[in-house]
Amino acid sequence: ETGVTQSPTHLIKTRGQQVTLRCSSQSGHNTVSWYQQALGQGPQFIFQYYREEENGRGNFPPRFSGLQFPNYSSELNVNALELDDSALYLCASSLIENEQFFGPGTRLTVL
Amino acid sequence: LAKTTQPISMDSYEGQEVNITCSHNNIATNDYITWYQQFPSQGPRFIIQGYKTKVTNEVASLFIPADRKSSTLSLPRVSLSDTAVYYCLTFGNEKLTFGTGTRLTIIP
Repeated sequence: ETGVTQSPTHLIKTRGQQVTLRCSSQSGHNTVSWYQQALGQGPQFIFQYYREEENGRGNFPPRFSGLQFPNYSSELNVNALELDDSALYLCASSLIENEQFFGPGTRLTVL
Repeated sequence: LAKTTQPISMDSYEGQEVNITCSHNNIATNDYITWYQQFPSQGPRFIIQGYKTKVTNEVASLFIPADRKSSTLSLPRVSLSDTAVYYCLTFGNEKLTFGTGTRLTIIP
């Protein structure tokens, strides 16, 4: 157990809907990174937040957005869902540039 | 676009040493190289992290040449429970990049 929790565990949405995924970071960690992992693929970096500011972004469109709160927990929001958004969404917390601790992920299915 | 590449799969017998190499020619100058293990439907689990030369912990060793364009994860005396997908992770061009992943299968 890493101490990183994510909610919900599973989620089913339809195309065009919006979704919010949540992540509680490990105590003392100030950085949260989000990843998308399609079935059979490696995790793809979405973005990272450090002390409530975005600190790097991967090749994802603007409909993928995020927030980090003063307690360093984080949200990932995805608007206008598409079928290809179906994936396991992972968050990882860390002290900046140090080892990342991953949560169990949220499995999103878009129908 | 530079990719971080790994062999797709490897098989090994129990008790052998396994070496998995990652090619990361776009790594940032000051970035660490980190390796993770992932089981199905779980988040990646940290194995080892290093910056240069050699790092060893209780489960693995990590070898990084001077040019840092590759790294090799070494697992001594593997067991059936080491069957998993292994990823390297680097930081470059302001992005965190996982390698393509190596599916390691341990044979009894």
